[in-house]
This record gives sequence, C-alpha cells and structure tokens, in this order.
Amino acid sequence: LAKTTQPISMDSYEGQEVNITCSHNNIATNDYITWYQQFPSQGPRFIIQGYKTKVTNEVASLFIPADRKSSTLSLPRVSLSDTAVYYCPLGGANNLFFGTGTRLTVIP
Amino acid sequence: GAGVSQSPRYKVAKRGQDVALRCDPISGHVSLFWYQQALGQGPEFLTYFQNEAQLDKSGLPSDRFFAERPEGSVSTLKIQRTQQEDSAVYLCASSLNPDSPLHFGNGTRLTVT
Repeated sequence: LAKTTQPISMDSYEGQEVNITCSHNNIATNDYITWYQQFPSQGPRFIIQGYKTKVTNEVASLFIPADRKSSTLSLPRVSLSDTAVYYCPLGGANNLFFGTGTRLTVIP
Repeated sequence: GAGVSQSPRYKVAKRGQDVALRCDPISGHVSLFWYQQALGQGPEFLTYFQNEAQLDKSGLPSDRFFAERPEGSVSTLKIQRTQQEDSAVYLCASSLNPDSPLHFGNGTRLTVT
C-alpha cells in the first residue's frame, strides 16, 4: 500500500499562493497522483490529477518532478473558502491511502 | 446532476444493535467504494465493488461488517452487533470506472453509545 507524507497543517493569508507538498517515495509506475479537498461534515472532493510534469485546471496546478517521488499542489490567491483539509491519496483504484492530510487555514 | 447520496446522515445506535447504511451512487458509475473516517483522520478503505461484484473487502475490520450491491447500483453497508469503536463517519464514493476520480457522498456519522 503506497504511503504518503504531508505537512499536518499550514496557515496562509488571503490572496497568497499556497503550495502543499506530498512525498510518496514508493509510488508505483502505474499510480496517478490525485488531490482531494475536504470541508467539515462533507466527503472529500476531487481537485486535480496528474501523472508527470505539470497539470493545471481552473482551481489549481499540480507539479510533479521527473522522479515522481513527490508532488506539489499550488492554489493561486487563496480565499477564506479554501480553508479545508487537502489529501494526496495514492494506491490502486480499489485501495487509496489518504493519510491524515494537510489542514490549510486561510487567515483574513 | 445528482451526486452520491447517503442515508441516514446521522445514526445513533446502542452497543449491540445492528445498523444498515445506504449509498446511492451516481447513475452509471461502475465502481463503488466504502471508506471509514475517524475523527481527525483521513478516510480508510473498507471495500470495493465493480458493478455487483465485491472485488475487494480487505479493509473491513471484522466479520461484523458486511456490504452488498445486489443490482450494481445502490449499496448497503451493514454492521452487526455494533461496538463503540465502530463510531465514525462512513463515506461512500463512486466512479465511472476504476481509474476515474472518486465522487464522495457526505457520509453517515455513526455514534455507538
């Protein structure tokens, strides 16, 4: 089962760019890197997915180095509503390991 | 469109009671997953269905836990003789196929007293 390591928590002021890094040293060749966001009392919500290099969508960017042993989720100009827990689960389709995630707090 | 729906939203059970938690996945989603989330922790995998077939149940913590998806759509997670350590949020997720991102419901919070 692929394990991931993330910072437990991060604080950021509104309007700043936030980068959250996830370490996954034993990522498998066929593993995609996926990030989810979870608000209190809700299920996790898919943000972005990539395999290598850089992926960008309307809410975030995902940077993956060539060795794929880590990934960085970049949130541009965060707002208070981005306060949530962020996960980078890895593993097979039927057995994702979420870990404890990174609790991001956006400060006014 | 409608997302993944779970019911009940909250369930309180006395120790020793049986409970049944329901999941309505997104229509057409082949894959269905159950996860357990303890307070302050990330979701932990319980079991996985592809259509009506339960392909992986390695995460079920004991034989008191049972899941089914008889017609390949709605799924039920049943916990027999509930214990206090079963208190958690039970999340259901579905995906279009096994490699697609998961769509989660908002979970059922089970409290065993």
